[in-house]
Amino acid sequence: AQSVTQLDSHVSVSEGTPVLLRCNYSSSYSPSLFWYVQHPNKGLQLLLKYTSAATLVKGINGFEAEFKKSETSFHLTKPSAHMSDAAEYFCVVSRQMNYGGSQGNLIFGKGTKLSVKP
Amino acid sequence: EAGVAQSPRYKIIEKRQSVAFWCNPISGHATLYWYQQILGQGPKLLIQFQNNGVVDDSQLPKDRFSAERLKGVDSTLKIQPAKLEDSAVYLCASSLVRQGRSSNTEAFFGQGTRLTVV
Repeated sequence: AQSVTQLDSHVSVSEGTPVLLRCNYSSSYSPSLFWYVQHPNKGLQLLLKYTSAATLVKGINGFEAEFKKSETSFHLTKPSAHMSDAAEYFCVVSRQMNYGGSQGNLIFGKGTKLSVKP
Repeated sequence: EAGVAQSPRYKIIEKRQSVAFWCNPISGHATLYWYQQILGQGPKLLIQFQNNGVVDDSQLPKDRFSAERLKGVDSTLKIQPAKLEDSAVYLCASSLVRQGRSSNTEAFFGQGTRLTVV
């Protein structure tokens, strides 16, 4: 069975300082991992994904994440926070299916709310 | 390119009433998903279709929830009768089916329908 654990329910940073959102995963297979962002009253948007290629994954809006198998982690980082980054962030693992059809059968973490102070 | 369309955006009903949600996926996306997102939690998959067939409905409360995808395009999700604990945002997502190693099968989400059961 697969699962993800987001270690912080709320992270607060000042504008211009680094962002670190932590995620650990559990999977008996080589996982496909994602980070999604959800702004208030908007749909979920894919930030980045890891699918067994490069372990350092670059996404949109300056975010990146590093897959560390030895630590079973997939932490999300950004060098400098912007006010527009304030949102809910979800670490996600793709559920392993008996067919390899798509990557939308997803298991979400509980989310980390990122606040950015001016 | 048009995104995933959902309607209505908001719905308020009394417990024991029935309700239906509609989703139109991105054109050409064979796979369609319905997720339930309860306040303060990550989305949870309810059902996955590929074309008009059900691939995964293991987490769908089948005593009250039903879904269909006629003709492999639009889909409806129904709750009958509704309970207070069904209050949530219902998200629809769609994705391509993997065809070859380079297929991008990420899920694209609609803005959701916010259901309040009183």
